[in-house]
Amino acid sequence: GESVGLHLPTLSVQEGDNSIINCAYSNSASDYFIWYKQESGKGPQFIIDIRSNMDKRQGQRVTVLLNKTVKHLSLQIAATQPGDSAVYFCAPQSNKFYFGSGTKLNVKP
Amino acid sequence: GAVVSQHPSWVICKSGTSVKIECRSLDFQATTMFWYRQFPKQSLMLMATSNEGSKATYEQGVEKDKFLINHASLTLSTLTVTSAHPEDSSFYICSATTGNYGYTFGSGTRLTVV
Repeated sequence: GESVGLHLPTLSVQEGDNSIINCAYSNSASDYFIWYKQESGKGPQFIIDIRSNMDKRQGQRVTVLLNKTVKHLSLQIAATQPGDSAVYFCAPQSNKFYFGSGTKLNVKP
Repeated sequence: GAVVSQHPSWVICKSGTSVKIECRSLDFQATTMFWYRQFPKQSLMLMATSNEGSKATYEQGVEKDKFLINHASLTLSTLTVTSAHPEDSSFYICSATTGNYGYTFGSGTRLTVV
């Protein structure tokens, strides 16, 4: 299946700081990418997506950057809040979604 | 937005019995549904892909006779864990797509086999 890896398994940030979560993928044919957030005991929730014809997309407090040359994605969360604590997955689309190990974001008050 | 309902949210069953989990797309027709399994502190592992009206495609290492998937309509897919054993205890999650990009996940089913 798709090889997806995250650079940091756990990220701890201070409330109010910005967070950056990284993701590497291996399938250069992937043309659509989604970031998901999963809170404990719940299913993944859509955060933001980006197509391969873009290198940046912004949402509310979140920005996704895509570097197709090095097959790398990042998710930036501005002014991180305690409610942002969760595991974050990136999911490049080929014909199905394979998930990487995820990055656990801990927000310290 | 697209909503996927998964039921039950949790179930406890005795070893040797079978359990059925339902996944419904409430406001859209899902051409494809996916079933995932997630063990504690691990990522989601894709088990199988089901398309309406055809047999599911199972990932390597997933027993098709143990995890029966039925996708009888464009809004419903079911996963039946047959002859469940304690090692099948896990968090099962479905997702659905119309095929035009965009995947929506159910809220998951916590299965505990005792």
